[in-house]
Amino acid sequence: DAGVTQSPTHLIKTRGQQVTLRCSPKSGHDTVSWYQQALGQGPQFIFQYYEEEERQRGNFPDRFSGHQFPNYSSELNVNALLLGDSALYLCASSLPTGLETQYFGPGTRLLVL
Amino acid sequence: DQQVKQNSPSLSVQEGRISILNCDYTNSMFDYFLWYKKYPAEGPTFLISISSIKDKNEDGRFTVFLNKSAKHLSLHIVPSQPGDSAVYFCAASKDSGYALNFGKGTSLLVTP
Repeated sequence: DAGVTQSPTHLIKTRGQQVTLRCSPKSGHDTVSWYQQALGQGPQFIFQYYEEEERQRGNFPDRFSGHQFPNYSSELNVNALLLGDSALYLCASSLPTGLETQYFGPGTRLLVL
Repeated sequence: DQQVKQNSPSLSVQEGRISILNCDYTNSMFDYFLWYKKYPAEGPTFLISISSIKDKNEDGRFTVFLNKSAKHLSLHIVPSQPGDSAVYFCAASKDSGYALNFGKGTSLLVTP
């Protein structure tokens, strides 16, 4: 049974560009959350998707947007990249309730030059 | 504003001894607390949780204690093993199904 998978593993972009990160949830999970982990910090919640809708959002600007597909996979899009967007982006999947069921993927390392 | 704080960036413990990792929070609305363990190049892995109606939860070598009045929780690992060496994150939530607020993590090193 595959766990949470994310692609790509690493990415280098330049300021002003746009990026799309992808996440496939663990089998049986229908809720996907995205987190940003800057160097030396803990993960920060970006947003959560359930039934193809954004259910909750953290304190991130509108440059960060997402989507969930009918197969529960999800994308995170970041527009107008800033140097400060360089971070590890983590996807976590879970059932709608029960955070202890939340499984994290290995993350996508984004570097903005 | 950091609502979950782990004030010790690192901790070194000898194998077989107890490891105690501490976490403080500021938001009294938090009612669910979790500990995650993270190895390099992997995502965080759930370790143990506790809800605000309890003050202790135990799972094998891992025990989490919650002191609501002090807004403090701790993770005890007994006995510590070299394989426990990792970064440990404390996280809190207002609801068991919603966003996690993480601390900055504590890097634990268990030496033989």
